[in-house]
Amino acid sequence: AQKVTQAQTEISVVEKEDVTLDCVYETRDTTYYLFWYKQPPSGELVFLIRRNSFDEQNEISGRYSWNFQKSTSSFNFTITASQVVDSAVYFCALSEFRSGANSKLTFGKGITLSVRP
Amino acid sequence: DGGITQSPKYLFRKEGQNVTLSCEQNLNHDAMYWYRQDPGQGLRLIYYSQIVNDFQKGDIAEGYSVSREKKESFPLTVTSAQKNPTAFYLCASRPGLKSRAYEQYFGPGTRLTVT
Repeated sequence: AQKVTQAQTEISVVEKEDVTLDCVYETRDTTYYLFWYKQPPSGELVFLIRRNSFDEQNEISGRYSWNFQKSTSSFNFTITASQVVDSAVYFCALSEFRSGANSKLTFGKGITLSVRP
Repeated sequence: DGGITQSPKYLFRKEGQNVTLSCEQNLNHDAMYWYRQDPGQGLRLIYYSQIVNDFQKGDIAEGYSVSREKKESFPLTVTSAQKNPTAFYLCASRPGLKSRAYEQYFGPGTRLTVT
């Protein structure tokens, strides 16, 4: 069975601080995908990144960066120089490596990030 | 613009009534999904569909029903058998079955309150 753990439930930072959101996963599969989604107060989940288990390269996109470490089953997300607009709930998710809709997403419980001005 | 539409944004019902939540997509995606989100919880899968006229139960299907008569539409009915229907419901879709794009794209959600 797959499992995603986001141990941090709420994080509060002051604008311009860096913040890291942790994600630890469990799976028996040797190939899988990991995702991060952002849920702003409006409610819609916004896709941020997909990472497959073959590729452990870290990725940077503007102020966002992701650190994938297969050895520790972690896929952490760092926001550099946080802004008020980053305030949202962030979900980490895991997918089996199968074709079709059977490749279901397993979500963590989410981390509520509050960035204060 | 392409996207996923869910209506209405807020829905109120009396206990014992069935209610249908709408989900429409114009992304030409094959697969569609329904999730339920409760406060402080992640998303839990209710039903999913890979193709028209076919759907499968997710992790918490009891008290819910779906149909997939058209590729663009995947309505969810919350029946009176669902013991705790008050929640935020999210619809999602995914590109074709052979696509390597495993990420799902989400609609804006419907917040259902049953009293």
